[in-house]
Amino acid sequence: DGGITQSPKYLFRKEGQNVTLSCEQNLNHDAMYWYRQDPGQGLRLIYYSQIVNDFQKGDIAEGYSVSREKKESFPLTVTSAQKNPTAFYLCASQSGASGRREQFFGPGTRLTVL
Amino acid sequence: AQSVTQLGSHVSVSEGALVLLRCNYSSSVPPYLFWYVQYPNQGLQLLLKYTSAATLVKGINGFEAEFKKSETSFHLTKPSAHMSDAAEYFCAVTDTNAGKSTFGDGTTLTVKP
Repeated sequence: DGGITQSPKYLFRKEGQNVTLSCEQNLNHDAMYWYRQDPGQGLRLIYYSQIVNDFQKGDIAEGYSVSREKKESFPLTVTSAQKNPTAFYLCASQSGASGRREQFFGPGTRLTVL
Repeated sequence: AQSVTQLGSHVSVSEGALVLLRCNYSSSVPPYLFWYVQYPNQGLQLLLKYTSAATLVKGINGFEAEFKKSETSFHLTKPSAHMSDAAEYFCAVTDTNAGKSTFGDGTTLTVKP
């Protein structure tokens, strides 16, 4: 079945550690996105990529980094510079880069900083 | 710039009653609008989308939405609520120039028996 997978589902991190969240899609989609979701704040865009080897900052990119070396993969690293990383992280992909089509979402990773 | 406002962070209806979730948008270009649903601890799923064809859009699970340009609205409705409709609903508008979407803050729908 085609879809988007995110791993791990739950992740615990100590303060000062970097962690990487995985996002893989087998939908052959060009564009991929990372969002952060906090209660009552909807989805906020962290980074997005419309083509391999290229990505753009979203609205809240500080403290995060990404790479897009393969079409199928768009990992997100939460660095120690992110002041409040505890949140639910969602990855999405989209066919084409224009935004005229819907996004397909993964099941999410819940990150907790201890 | 584009933005989305969802009026009402929580909506409660009785089973069998009309569901109305409100969404107003702002966009400098003709908008592409979407409604998504999210169940607890899951990703979002598409309910329906408006992409400049028919103004009344039908989606899954009996939901529909009407695009009203004069009111800059894209409200989501369902004639008769079911217990399984309890979830969080997000309205989104896409900037086709930038290829990215802006999401509203979400509306949590509660369905009472």
